[in-house]
Amino acid sequence: QQQVKQSPQSLIVQKGGISIINCAYENTAFDYFPWYQQFPGKGPALLIAIRPDVSEKKEGRFTISFNKSAKQFSLHIMDSQPGDSATYFCAAMRGGSNYKLTFGKGTLLTVNP
Amino acid sequence: NAGVTQTPKFRVLKTGQSMTLLCAQDMNHEYMYWYRQDPGMGLRLIHYSVGEGTTAKGEVPDGYNVSRLKKQNFLLGLESAAPSQTSVYFCASSYGGQGRPYEQYFGPGTRLTVT
Repeated sequence: QQQVKQSPQSLIVQKGGISIINCAYENTAFDYFPWYQQFPGKGPALLIAIRPDVSEKKEGRFTISFNKSAKQFSLHIMDSQPGDSATYFCAAMRGGSNYKLTFGKGTLLTVNP
Repeated sequence: NAGVTQTPKFRVLKTGQSMTLLCAQDMNHEYMYWYRQDPGMGLRLIHYSVGEGTTAKGEVPDGYNVSRLKKQNFLLGLESAAPSQTSVYFCASSYGGQGRPYEQYFGPGTRLTVT
């Protein structure tokens, strides 16, 4: 049972464009929705996170939009740069779960110069 | 601070061989996790630990064992390797409830090939 569904699997964007990655979840008990960024040959690293009582969170060029009623959230990367080329994972965490993360399957983003 | 380190970085095993992957963290984190990453499958939790001397099963625990004898170390063992265990293995650690409870710190990974 896949609790967090992520799309698309891969994405190609031109420099300066907007990258959008979508995730949907099933478990309404999730308390946090973080995004992780992974560069080739490296481990994932936290990028940005949101709680379900907030509809949007912005950090620099990265924005999470959250739709609680639809059980969906998305990552928007504005003014995408070649340095943003990486794999992005959405995740969800439920309080009291020993801080375990449930990850989506990942999106490989390529930003062409 | 070295953060989270993993040993070895690469390994090739033959079917049936055993090995141990070592994860070490110098951040005094209580929680530690082992994941495997396969193409198109994302990160799947194998085992985790909520403190020294504790271990628990994750999503895909079969064929693996773990131990956490010291707070800073979390070992992942493969008793009899199978080709299906060819993967990239990541260790992670976290503070838990302090600050950002959803933040896990990942090591650089171990690429394991079983032939």
